[in-house]
Amino acid sequence: TQLLEQSPQFLSIQEGENLTVYCNSSSVFSSLQWYRQEPGEGPVLLVTVVTGGEVKKLKRLTFQFGDARKDSSLHITAAQPGDTGLYLCAGASGNQFYFGTGTSLTVIP
Amino acid sequence: KAGVTQTPRYLIKTRGQQVTLSCSPISGHRSVSWYQQTPGQGLQFLFEYFSETQRNKGNFPGRFSGRQFSNSRSEMNVSTLELGDSALYLCASSLDGRLNYGYTFGSGTRLTVV
Repeated sequence: TQLLEQSPQFLSIQEGENLTVYCNSSSVFSSLQWYRQEPGEGPVLLVTVVTGGEVKKLKRLTFQFGDARKDSSLHITAAQPGDTGLYLCAGASGNQFYFGTGTSLTVIP
Repeated sequence: KAGVTQTPRYLIKTRGQQVTLSCSPISGHRSVSWYQQTPGQGLQFLFEYFSETQRNKGNFPGRFSGRQFSNSRSEMNVSTLELGDSALYLCASSLDGRLNYGYTFGSGTRLTVV
């Protein structure tokens, strides 16, 4: 059983479309992070959200932390082929760090 | 500054053998964590070392062990390899292990057990 469930698991869209990836849990997290991983490489940290209800923007990416700090979403506007990769959410609960199940995004030119 | 360096990048071993993987964290980072990544299970936490001490451990059998040296470099050892140990092993470093600040990952070691 995964502590953090992501949906959808796979997503294939055309360049220019918008998309949202969800990260859900029944547990409360003190912080939540989003990473992007490209094939053959390690995950790269995109953002950390700490406060319930917090919204952070990184160019075309918008990250939101749920009010109850149990869930988060990542919204990408006008997706580009360079956004292709595995998106992972990760959260700190207690003294451990948990990764989500991952969303594999493919943006078709 | 240099990133997290993992060696080797690729490794092929036979069942029953043992293997040692190496990780050099970012200079100044004292926390090193190890993860196993497989298509079916995703990223699974192995253990975390901070100042040469194992601070946290995941749910892996005793065949998986690690250590950290005084210069913060870390090694991970897997003994009596099984086919199911084939995976991408990732090392992640952070300044002091405070989870709110996130990790910097290495490129990983791809281990194939045949």
